[in-house]
Amino acid sequence: AQKVTQAQTEISVVEKEDVTLDCVYETRDTTYYLFWYKQPPSGELVFLIRRNSFDEQNEISGRYSWNFQKSTSSFNFTITASQVVDSAVYFCARGTGRRALTFGSGTRLQVQP
Amino acid sequence: GAVVSQHPSWVICKSGTSVKIECRSLDFQATTMFWYRQFPKQSLMLMATSNEGSKATYEQGVEKDKFLINHASLTLSTLTVTSAHPEDSSFYICSASTSSNPNNEQFFGPGTRLTVL
Repeated sequence: AQKVTQAQTEISVVEKEDVTLDCVYETRDTTYYLFWYKQPPSGELVFLIRRNSFDEQNEISGRYSWNFQKSTSSFNFTITASQVVDSAVYFCARGTGRRALTFGSGTRLQVQP
Repeated sequence: GAVVSQHPSWVICKSGTSVKIECRSLDFQATTMFWYRQFPKQSLMLMATSNEGSKATYEQGVEKDKFLINHASLTLSTLTVTSAHPEDSSFYICSASTSSNPNNEQFFGPGTRLTVL
């Protein structure tokens, strides 16, 4: 199986700190997609970003930014100036074609006030 | 955007009973639906893939006779947990995609929390 690894099980930061969540993936495919989802305590997955394997441009959306490095098979996610509302479990996932997504084990982020 | 709903959002049942969970695509035709299961503090694990009008394809280790999946229409898939036991207590999430979407996007439902007493 082609895994997605999120080595950080839990991260705790103080509000306004920057935090980076790591994601490393395995793939044998030329074309694939990478995702980040946020899962608050309610359980519903909140879509954050989808990246095509052909597009290595980094992306910034407000306080969120993503760094995609094909050379190291990584797709890291940075939250700048974290806020308490950012507290959640974050999942990195990988998909190919019309198949189901493979999720990492998730990183629980706690932002303390 | 595309919306996927699940019903019920939570259910509590007695051991030995069956529970049906519905997954609906509200504003698009879902040619494929996926069912995932998430145990507490764990990741989402794929249970099965269902294509409209076809039998579902189950992942290794998932009992097809226990988790019955029906995808009879392009907007509805159901997961029935038969003879539920406490170890089936979990968060069940569906996602849906359509072959007409060139970006192969999948849209997730809000999940159903099942507790078996």
